[in-house]
Amino acid sequence: AQTVTQSQPEMSVQEAETVTLSCTYDTSESDYYLFWYKQPPSRQMILVIRQEAYKQQNATENRFSVNFQKAAKSFSLKISDSQLGDAAMYFCAYRSFEGTSGSRLTFGEGTQLTVNP
Amino acid sequence: KAGVTQTPRYLIKTRGQQVTLSCSPISGHRSVSWYQQTPGQGLQFLFEYFSETQRNKGNFPGRFSGRQFSNSRSEMNVSTLELGDSALYLCASSLWGRGGEAFFGQGTRLTVV
Repeated sequence: AQTVTQSQPEMSVQEAETVTLSCTYDTSESDYYLFWYKQPPSRQMILVIRQEAYKQQNATENRFSVNFQKAAKSFSLKISDSQLGDAAMYFCAYRSFEGTSGSRLTFGEGTQLTVNP
Repeated sequence: KAGVTQTPRYLIKTRGQQVTLSCSPISGHRSVSWYQQTPGQGLQFLFEYFSETQRNKGNFPGRFSGRQFSNSRSEMNVSTLELGDSALYLCASSLWGRGGEAFFGQGTRLTVV
């Protein structure tokens, strides 16, 4: 079974600075996807960024980028120029595609990010 | 394009009762998954439906069940509610197949008293 671990329950960053959230995972599969989701106090889960395992290039979405190290099974999220609106719980998630048997997301425990003005 | 809609947003039920939650996916999405979120256990996968068939199931007791209709709307049912079933229940919809990103609804907050 796949597992996802986020070792930082809480992180804080000053507005306009950069912060990196860590995530490690364990799998025996070679074909999978990794995601970072953001959950603000409204509880709506919002997709931040995704990475396909077979792509070596790290994904980037505006101020959000990832450092994907497949051999080390590491998938960290870097937030540049942090904004007050970035404050939320961040979840790292793993998704395999199990053919006709469907797919599921396995989530980490989450990292609560605080942005200080 | 409308997002994933979950109803109701909040529910209070008594132990021993049953409850039905509803999820309407994004138009064109035929895969619907359900997750339970609690402070102690985090986010856990319940089940996934595609084409009115359950395709994948998490490690939950048989009291948790679901179904999907021909219009892809899905319901989940919890029978004989226990205090530990109090949670945020999230529904996600996606396109079927590799690369289908999951888009989540705002959840249903269930409180069992």
